Amino acid sequence: ILNVEQSPQSLHVQEGDSTNFTCSFPSSNFYALHWYRWETAKSPEALFVMTLNGDEKKKGRISATLNTKEGYSYLYIKGSQPEDSATYLCAFCGGNNRKLIWGLGTSLAVNP
Amino acid sequence: DSGVTQTPKHLITATGQRVTLRCSPRSGDLSVYWYQQSLDQGLQFLIQYYNGEERAKGNILERFSAQQFPDLHSELNLSSLELGDSALYFCASSVDVLPSDEQFFGPGTRLTVL
Repeated sequence: ILNVEQSPQSLHVQEGDSTNFTCSFPSSNFYALHWYRWETAKSPEALFVMTLNGDEKKKGRISATLNTKEGYSYLYIKGSQPEDSATYLCAFCGGNNRKLIWGLGTSLAVNP
Repeated sequence: DSGVTQTPKHLITATGQRVTLRCSPRSGDLSVYWYQQSLDQGLQFLIQYYNGEERAKGNILERFSAQQFPDLHSELNLSSLELGDSALYFCASSVDVLPSDEQFFGPGTRLTVL
């Protein structure tokens, strides 16, 4: 059974703080790793899709890194703003069936 | 707005009934995915269609079925509904069939089974 784990489960930070969270996945037969942002009362929106070991992607204040050999990805938010409050989901694709396996997400709350 | 539409937005029904959820993918996208999100659970992949054909199956119950039509819209049929089927059902679409393709999510259908 392929498992994707995200930590921490939830996080409260102050406006202006930088933060990061982790997505762990099986390190064998890696194909792709997705990060999505899911705001309350909306639907998930794609942030990044990474496919190569060592990939680093950036979108504004948000960036992500990928280590396929050890099976983890980090998502960083620099200078958190209240509008960054959301659940951040990662999804892993690997193994033989090539389906996305989703983590439970990290819920981020940024206090003004 | 992702360009993916889902109807209805909310659905309230009784146990034992059957419902149909509808999804129209983004213009040009050939793949459609269905997900279920229950309370305290993550997104559970149900099924994927690509250009009218079933492509991949996840944790979809036998009481559930789906199809993708020639115009690429998709329907998810849920029958013999149980209380535990109450959930948010998302449809997503992507341009192709690769697992590295970004998925675009619709607004979801909230199903309540009483």
